[in-house]
Amino acid sequence: SQQGEEDPQALSIQEGENATMNCSYKTSINNLQWYRQNSGRGLVHLILIRSNEREKHSGRLRVTLDTSKKSSSLLITASRAADTASYFCATDAYSGAGSYQLTFGKGTKLSVIP
Amino acid sequence: EAGVVQSPRYKIIEKKQPVAFWCNPISGHNTLYWYLQNLGQGPELLIRYENEEAVDDSQLPKDRFSAERLKGVDSTLKIQPAELGDSAVYLCASSQQGVGTDTQYFGPGTRLTVL
Repeated sequence: SQQGEEDPQALSIQEGENATMNCSYKTSINNLQWYRQNSGRGLVHLILIRSNEREKHSGRLRVTLDTSKKSSSLLITASRAADTASYFCATDAYSGAGSYQLTFGKGTKLSVIP
Repeated sequence: EAGVVQSPRYKIIEKKQPVAFWCNPISGHNTLYWYLQNLGQGPELLIRYENEEAVDDSQLPKDRFSAERLKGVDSTLKIQPAELGDSAVYLCASSQQGVGTDTQYFGPGTRLTVL
């Protein structure tokens, strides 16, 4: 089952514009992570935000987390054609028996037009 | 440093045939994961290994799927017999410790097509 749900499902922007993707989830989490997947390639970890953090930056990426609303957003500033990819949020949550599990959403497909 | 290696990259088989996927994790990574990714979906965990022990296989369809990680390094995921619905990308990932804050590193995946 998939806990996270990204919104929008697809996003098309011009190069240089900012892209914002949202993620909502259902249960309490340990942390939330964002991954990128280029066409035909594996997933690449972008950023992790802990449940006690509200905002985190990494280069052109800004992630926010609102645990009261069970939602997160990923902002990519000054987008480039190379940012074209699918972006997934993944929630790390307790799955029982002392174990945590990473659960991915369906992803947002971002197209950056040169 | 070499990343997670998977082979084959593509596999086409007829239904009811067996198929196996191989994964070599990043050196020193104790935790290994197998995920299934259907088209337009995010990855879903099939099984997680801590060294050679399968610590979470609750989502592995055990009637036809099996996995092993001998010596706690390489791993093999097998499907026997394959069904049409098994067509998907099978991703392998590894991490150092397997705790929640540990980054998972993914391989390029094996795209399986069952005819």
